[in-house]
Amino acid sequence: GAVVSQHPSWVICKSGTSVKIECRSLDFQATTMFWYRQFPKQSLMLMATSNEGSKATYEQGVEKDKFLINHASLTLSTLTVTSAHPEDSSFYICSASFRRGSYNEQFFGPGTRLTVL
Amino acid sequence: AQKVTQAQTEISVVEKEDVTLDCVYETRDTTYYLFWYKQPPSGELVFLIRRNSFDEQNEISGRYSWNFQKSTSSFNFTITASQVVDSAVYFCALSEAASGTYKYIFGTGTRLKVLA
Repeated sequence: GAVVSQHPSWVICKSGTSVKIECRSLDFQATTMFWYRQFPKQSLMLMATSNEGSKATYEQGVEKDKFLINHASLTLSTLTVTSAHPEDSSFYICSASFRRGSYNEQFFGPGTRLTVL
Repeated sequence: AQKVTQAQTEISVVEKEDVTLDCVYETRDTTYYLFWYKQPPSGELVFLIRRNSFDEQNEISGRYSWNFQKSTSSFNFTITASQVVDSAVYFCALSEAASGTYKYIFGTGTRLKVLA
């Protein structure tokens, strides 16, 4: 159980286009979803936290107008990279969480590799 | 502020050697959780262990063992008799109850290379 999927697994796009990445919790309802970005040979950096039906909370330094997050249901969150540029090329990982006892347990998706030409 | 430090950027060992990956954390919260994840070349994070701040008992799972020491704010990970398949990047992470969302703060990772 507790499977999280991401689509697409990889995407190549031209500079200036927008790209949407989907994150789905397949067998549970996620109260909170998280989006991370990982540049090559670096750590995972949290970009934003989103709760179903409310606006996402972005970490400091993350442009909310560039990285649009929608969490329309308890099983789906989307990240749209608007007007993507080569510096946005990265590995984007989502996680979905639900309450387990006294703790919110996170389950990670397999990631989406974005390459902007 | 919360922080996770993995001082070892890269470690190379020969197969069958034991190896310890260090993790030091900082937090002001009394309720927190610590994790280790493995990230193979495919990129998908593989969950290894979760520990809460009230449970300092060390744990062993097969060739893996973890040493949690609150006195030194460390949560070290040892692989016994390493194998080539253990080659990956290993991340330590911290999650604080005070954040409300239990968001994770990841360390910078340790790249482990196990040579045949």
